[in-house]
Amino acid sequence: AQSVSQHNHHVILSEAASLELGCNYSYGGTVNLFWYVQYPGQHLQLLLKYFSGDPLVKGIKGFEAEFIKSKFSFNLRKPSVQWSDTAEYFCAVASPDSNYQLIWGAGTKLIIKP
Amino acid sequence: DSGVTQTPKHLITATGQRVTLRCSPRSGDLSVYWYQQSLDQGLQFLIQYYNGEERAKGNILERFSAQQFPDLHSELNLSSLELGDSALYFCASSENFYNEQFFGPGTRLTVL
Repeated sequence: AQSVSQHNHHVILSEAASLELGCNYSYGGTVNLFWYVQYPGQHLQLLLKYFSGDPLVKGIKGFEAEFIKSKFSFNLRKPSVQWSDTAEYFCAVASPDSNYQLIWGAGTKLIIKP
Repeated sequence: DSGVTQTPKHLITATGQRVTLRCSPRSGDLSVYWYQQSLDQGLQFLIQYYNGEERAKGNILERFSAQQFPDLHSELNLSSLELGDSALYFCASSENFYNEQFFGPGTRLTVL
């Protein structure tokens, strides 16, 4: 069965630190890749997505992610985090073989210390 | 605001009862998804409908059922409620089944 791994369940950073959250998936074929964010007490919002084309994807709020097919990875990055980035981040993957059913990672809780 | 609406926002009920949660997708979206989010289980996919037909099932209990109506709104029915059913229930919609999903604000269900 396909799976998505987010290796870090909790990350604590200071403001202005750089961020990289890992996401690895198990499927080797064509994939659609997503990062969602859930701010405290709110619903999930799409941060960015990759379907095809440039593997470096820019999203909202200064986030970007890089699709590395050979590593089955889609890591999320931000050069300088802010206190308002405190949230839970979810990676999700869909593929034709999963009938485009989104397979979700377990989420990474990010806490930014002011 | 994602354009997905869910009612009610909060629901408090007793064990053994039955409740119905309602979701209206974004205008033009054909696919509706239901998720359960709790502290111990995280985000769990329950079920998906596409243009009125069930398309995929996730970790949905037999006590739970859903449907999507001709106007594309969806309802999630939860019956014989247990304490462990207390959670946030999110609805999401997408234009097609392979596009990104847009989430509603959720319904917080508390079973006492």
